[in-house]
Amino acid sequence: AQSVAQPEDQVNVAEGNPLTVKCTYSVSGNPYLFWYVQYPNRGLQFLLKYITGDNLVKGSYGFEAEFNKSQTSFHLKKPSALVSDSALYFCAVRVYNTDKLIFGTGTRLQVFP
Amino acid sequence: DAGVIQSPRHEVTEMGQEVTLRCKPISGHDYLFWYRQTMMRGLELLIYFNNNVPIDDSGMPEDRFSAKMPNASFSTLKIQPSEPRDSAVYFCASSLAGGYTEAFFGQGTRLTVV
Repeated sequence: AQSVAQPEDQVNVAEGNPLTVKCTYSVSGNPYLFWYVQYPNRGLQFLLKYITGDNLVKGSYGFEAEFNKSQTSFHLKKPSALVSDSALYFCAVRVYNTDKLIFGTGTRLQVFP
Repeated sequence: DAGVIQSPRHEVTEMGQEVTLRCKPISGHDYLFWYRQTMMRGLELLIYFNNNVPIDDSGMPEDRFSAKMPNASFSTLKIQPSEPRDSAVYFCASSLAGGYTEAFFGQGTRLTVV
């Protein structure tokens, strides 16, 4: 079965510190992976994706993600967190041979001043 | 482009009533997705369309739910009759090329069935 897991419900980090939001996946075929962010009372916004190529993917707002095939992980990272990064973050994976995405349960990122 | 537009933003209805949610995708996008978000179940895909044709409706919870896309610029999700357990935020999203490209989400419709 294809799935995506976000093992942490919440991540707390101080402003200016690096942050990591974890994601692991299980898929058939080559993985197509995505990160989205959701601010309160808003729809999801695309941050970045991995389809092929470099394992380090750069995205919006200074975020990046590292694809690790051996560990089946796609962790979201940012070198220096901002209070405005506080939001709900979703990892998603494309279901093999379809156009469907499976979303993780989300990780709430809280950045403290 | 104004992005994906959903209406209404909020809907409160009584159990047993019919509810219709509306979505206008981004012009030129060939894919349209309907999602439901709840605390218990997270974000679930209900149905998606490609070029106005329903491709996969396996996520539609019951026959009470139906979705249509009569043209490239409009889609509806209907619940008839509504039940309290249908209370959720319903999102519409559109994309250029399905699972290969990013989806653009609307702001959602918060449905409360009392």
